[in-house]
This record gives sequence, C-alpha cells and structure tokens, in this order.
Amino acid sequence: DTGVSQDPRHKITKRGQNVTFRCDPISEHNRLYWYRQTLGQGPEFLTYFQNEAQLEKSRLLSDRFSAERPKGSFSTLEIQRTEQGDSAMYLCASSEGGNEQFFGPGTRLTVL
Amino acid sequence: AQSVTQLDSQVPVFEEAPVELRCNYSSSVSVYLFWYVQYPNQGLQLLLKYLSGSTLVESINGFEAEFNKSQTSFHLRKPSVHISDTAEYFCAVSNDYKLSFGAGTTVTVRA
Repeated sequence: DTGVSQDPRHKITKRGQNVTFRCDPISEHNRLYWYRQTLGQGPEFLTYFQNEAQLEKSRLLSDRFSAERPKGSFSTLEIQRTEQGDSAMYLCASSEGGNEQFFGPGTRLTVL
Repeated sequence: AQSVTQLDSQVPVFEEAPVELRCNYSSSVSVYLFWYVQYPNQGLQLLLKYLSGSTLVESINGFEAEFNKSQTSFHLRKPSVHISDTAEYFCAVSNDYKLSFGAGTTVTVRA
C-alpha cells in the first residue's frame, strides 16, 4: 500500500467556481478525516467518516462545503461557489479506529 | 474543548546544537498527545505520540518528548540536530478522533 493519496495536488480556480477534491485512504482504514491548513497555521479539523457515515462536521464547514464517502472507500470534498478565503491546503487522513492518523500530501487550492 | 499552544513560532539553531520546542495543551478530559513533522513540500508525518504509560516517549531519529500532566505540557527535544531536521513541527492533542493542532514551530538548522 502506498499510503493516503489525494488528487489533484494543486488546483487554481476563479471565485464562484465549484471544485472537487478526492482522497483515497489506506485500504484497511475505516476512518477518514478532512482538515484545512492555511498559511502559518496548523491544520484545522473539518469532518470525519467512520466507514460511509459522516459523524462530525466542524463549524468551519459552511453549507458551501460537502463531503461524501460512498461505500466507505474514497472520499470527495466539494466546495461550491468558491471564495478567496477558501484558499488553503486541504489535507486528508485515515486511521484504523482511533489509532494513528496517516496524512496524505494535500491539495493546495488557490482561488483567484 | 481542547486546544494547543506552541510557544515559539520560529527556532533557528546551529547544527549539532540541542533544540527544545515547547507545547502546552488544555483539555477537560484525558488526551492523547502527538508531535507531527512537515518537511518542505511534503505531508505531515507522525514523529512521536503519548497515549499512556511512560511519560517520556522517543522517536527513531533521536527526538524525545515528555508528558507533564501537572504543567499540561508536551515539550519536544533533541540533543543534537542535523541539517535534515529543518522542518515545521506541529504539536497536537486528540480526544479519540479529532486532532487539534498548534500553529506550528519552524525549525531552521544552520551549519
């Protein structure tokens, strides 16, 4: 297994456009997490899944954000009507239960 | 609620000198504590973790951290750094599923 992968690695978009990111977790991991990291800050929790169920959403996740994990495998994070304030690194992590979280390389979003 | 404060945003250090990165946390329940490292243009990697048991935990590359419950601290130390230790270091606290990170400490090792 090659670890957690994310696609794309970089995304540049214009304000108002929709974007979708994909995360493929380590195959045997039942938990999947999304975090956001802005420049000069640590990652901030957005949401997490246990298998296909989304169990918690941060207040940072406005109604323009939606995440899914169909069939408990890969996950997608969609941002609708992007704003400049959405520019950040979006990190995905996975774990086996409450054990160590393994992070992917991230998707860097730039909203012009 | 839980939170982490990393007291130093930038730590310049000479090669082979010791380094200490300070981390304080707050939480109303028992926690797990972590240090993650992020090398330039790479993802976060777990450096070491405290779950229970011995309050001194060590990594394979010479770092160690000590959990101090009375001072709510989890400081990271290395007795002799290398150029390759140049990176950003994040302290984090977990309540089982959600990691709460500090703002990070950038360590720059100079020859």
